[in-house]
Amino acid sequence: QSALTQEVSVSGTVGQKVTLSCRGSSSNIGTYAVGWYQQVSHGAPKTVMFGDILASGIPDRFSGSTSGTTASLTISGLQPEDEADYYCSTWDSRLSGVVFGGGTKLTVL
Amino acid sequence: EVQLVESGGGLVQPGRSLRLSCAMSGFSFDDYTMHWVRQPPGKGLEWVSSLNWVSGHILYPDSMEGRFTISRDDAKKSLHLDMNSVRIEDTALYFCVRDSSTNPPNFDYWGRGTLVTVSS
Repeated sequence: QSALTQEVSVSGTVGQKVTLSCRGSSSNIGTYAVGWYQQVSHGAPKTVMFGDILASGIPDRFSGSTSGTTASLTISGLQPEDEADYYCSTWDSRLSGVVFGGGTKLTVL
Repeated sequence: EVQLVESGGGLVQPGRSLRLSCAMSGFSFDDYTMHWVRQPPGKGLEWVSSLNWVSGHILYPDSMEGRFTISRDDAKKSLHLDMNSVRIEDTALYFCVRDSSTNPPNFDYWGRGTLVTVSS
């Protein structure tokens, strides 16, 4: 079982606003910044965000935030090319290691 | 341009050993921590190991401690992962990943991966 919990799947229509969540605990998200990674068709993952900083080349319709032990990735104005698997990741001080969420499959209807 | 190119994957029998390599270029290694991350077929990402280039500090998750060994070759600008006593469940696509933050990790560049298939 992953230390970070993500929705298995989320869907939305073009132009819609969607939010993906990543739930953790005080030993990970409650203390450390969270990275978000996009993976299209099981290719190489690509960095979307780190904390609230957008990665280079990522459109500004993506935004990130954290509240307590939950991190969120919001896409405002969903586009067909946003369809992908999204993973969150951070450091866990209790495990003394890197942890990933199980991933969310985002479908654009 | 940052490039991470993995190699060494293939079909291996349970209990045998395999060495994965990552050829790195386009950046100064001293500024980063390097990781191996794997993805079993149809499943999510799993952290395998990390190596900080300056301190030499190495980490593994408890589940992989003792079977996997991460190392580096400065002259060949390469990162390696030695996998011993491989198991069926080690079957996965193995990614070489650059980390610009370390704690917590910021995985800013990923290789395309090398596929390891453990089967008799």
